[in-house]
Amino acid sequence: DAGVTQSPTHLIKTRGQHVTLRCSPISGHKSVSWYQQVLGQGPQFIFQYYEKEERGRGNFPDRFSARQFPNYSSELNVNALLLGDSALYLCASSLEGQLYEQYFGPGTRLTVT
Amino acid sequence: KQEVTQIPAALSVPEGENLVLNCSFTDSAIYNLQWFRQDPGKGLTSLLLIQSSQREQTSGRLNASLDKSSGRSTLYIAASQPGDSATYLCAVSPLKGGATNKLIFGTGTLLAVQP
Repeated sequence: DAGVTQSPTHLIKTRGQHVTLRCSPISGHKSVSWYQQVLGQGPQFIFQYYEKEERGRGNFPDRFSARQFPNYSSELNVNALLLGDSALYLCASSLEGQLYEQYFGPGTRLTVT
Repeated sequence: KQEVTQIPAALSVPEGENLVLNCSFTDSAIYNLQWFRQDPGKGLTSLLLIQSSQREQTSGRLNASLDKSSGRSTLYIAASQPGDSATYLCAVSPLKGGATNKLIFGTGTLLAVQP
């Protein structure tokens, strides 16, 4: 079975632009979470979606938004990009509930210039 | 507020050595703790998941223990190999996270195994 997939792999944007990142979960997983990992730090929780509804949101500004589609894939959108948004964006999928293992994708490396 | 700390930040050992990585967390109210491996610029690979009711989990040369009451976990790697070189991250799933299954991560231990 395919693991979690993310696209694109790398992305370079200019300050003020908008970006959309995509994630496809493992087949059968209905929960998708997004994390931001700045160089040298551990990942920080941004959003979790389950059955197309937002289950949780981390301490990120409203410039960050996300959604989940009927096939359980997800998009993360970031508006008005800042230099500080440069990071590795990771998507994780799992079965529903806090007891289940989370599986991460390869990430999207976003560079804002 | 739950905080996760990993010590040491970096570790260099000769091949074949057994080693221990440490993880501590400030709030014992957790569902589980998960250990991950991350190669440079890559995503996270799940290594072991320990539920809060468990004391340890083993997979091959890896053994992870959990002492929830003291807020500590260790990852033991036996007979280390150069291919084990990576950053190791631990993360907890907090009970107080509501309906979310968010993970709170430490900053990782960068391991280098010298051939």
